[in-house]
Amino acid sequence: DVKVTQSSRYLVKRTGEKVFLECVQDMDHENMFWYRQDPGLGLRLIYFSYDVKMKEKGDIPEGYSVSREKKERFSLILESASTNQTSMYLCASSPTGQGMDEQYFGPGTRLTVT
Amino acid sequence: QQQVKQSPQSLIVQKGGIPIINCAYENTAFDYFPWYQQFPGKGPALLIAIRPDVSEKKEGRFTISFNKSAKQFSLHIMDSQPGDSATYFCVPPGKLIFGQGTELSVKP
Repeated sequence: DVKVTQSSRYLVKRTGEKVFLECVQDMDHENMFWYRQDPGLGLRLIYFSYDVKMKEKGDIPEGYSVSREKKERFSLILESASTNQTSMYLCASSPTGQGMDEQYFGPGTRLTVT
Repeated sequence: QQQVKQSPQSLIVQKGGIPIINCAYENTAFDYFPWYQQFPGKGPALLIAIRPDVSEKKEGRFTISFNKSAKQFSLHIMDSQPGDSATYFCVPPGKLIFGQGTELSVKP
């Protein structure tokens, strides 16, 4: 069964902290994605990766960075957390292409920055 | 970047009703147009998708139809049930853009 796991379901951090969100997929997918979800705004793409060590900016990359050292793992990094980064963060993976295949999502991490 | 307009933002229907969710986008060429369903506390999951060789696709109670002249896709849910209460997202062809989402509530 297809599975995308995220390291935490809930996370509370203080302003200025460095935050790591981890995502692991067990499907040998090429592509991995990070989105944030906010009420009324849908899902907005932060970063995505088509291959190990490769990354591409999405629509809202400011304040974030990513790391993909292994095919199955894609990390989202908040260099200095701010309150406007309080959100639900969703990781996804897909076999190939740019949204041309089904994306498989993790359960999400609800991050609160105080 | 291609935009997508999803409507309505929220929808309340009675059990057995037929909610309709629309997605309008700019580019008429497409290879694959998926819809995702998200239950509270869960990540989105693929519900149904359509490819250009058909103008309509049905899977169980869920139907996607495509109106080429209006540049619009629609999702219909026949005989809706309270268990269909969820948020629904469309994704325009070949893009990593999700619609704003439609929060559907089906009342018993």
